[in-house]
Amino acid sequence: SQTIHQWPATLVQPVGSPLSLECTVEGTSNPNLYWYRQAAGRGLQLLFYSVGIGQISSEVPQNLSASRPQDRQFILSSKKLLLSDSGFYLCAWRVGVTGELFFGEGSRLTVL
Amino acid sequence: KQEVTQIPAALSVPEGENLVLNCSFTDSAIYNLQWFRQDPGKGLTSLLLIQSSQREQTSGRLNASLDKSSGRSTLYIAASQPGDSATYLCAVLPISSGSARQLTFGSGTQLTVLP
Repeated sequence: SQTIHQWPATLVQPVGSPLSLECTVEGTSNPNLYWYRQAAGRGLQLLFYSVGIGQISSEVPQNLSASRPQDRQFILSSKKLLLSDSGFYLCAWRVGVTGELFFGEGSRLTVL
Repeated sequence: KQEVTQIPAALSVPEGENLVLNCSFTDSAIYNLQWFRQDPGKGLTSLLLIQSSQREQTSGRLNASLDKSSGRSTLYIAASQPGDSATYLCAVLPISSGSARQLTFGSGTQLTVLP
């Protein structure tokens, strides 16, 4: 069966520090991968998606970047965090472009 | 632009009651509709996926229906239990979503089942 792992689960970082959140999917090949952010009272916002290794598309201009170094690995990064980067970050995957979407457990980021 | 609405925003029911959560969307040109559950501080758990050609899907005590022509979906929960307490989100995959195939989410219904 397929599983998705995200880490770290919780992160507290000072403003200006770097960020790296990782997501891996097991039990499937060539998944479409997504990074979402869920801010309180603002719903789910798609940040990045990837249809293959090295292929990243950004939906929202921001302080963040994403990379996909391996087929089932998706990384969300920042060189210098802002207060506004605080939120709940969710990785998701699907097989194909219109299939069921599955989410990871999320990473709670607090920037102080 | 696709919009998804879930009413009510919050619902509180006694244990054992059958209940219906509502979801409406403005554009019927969709690939599918998906219902999720989110517990506090957790990720989203997929409950049911209904393809645009389907009318309903069932999983255990859950039954989701889809009426594309009226832009509505309902999630029926039978014999509710305190463990069903969570926020329920519906999301549609619009045909106009482009290469990202981005879901459009509703704001959710927060369900509390009282013991």
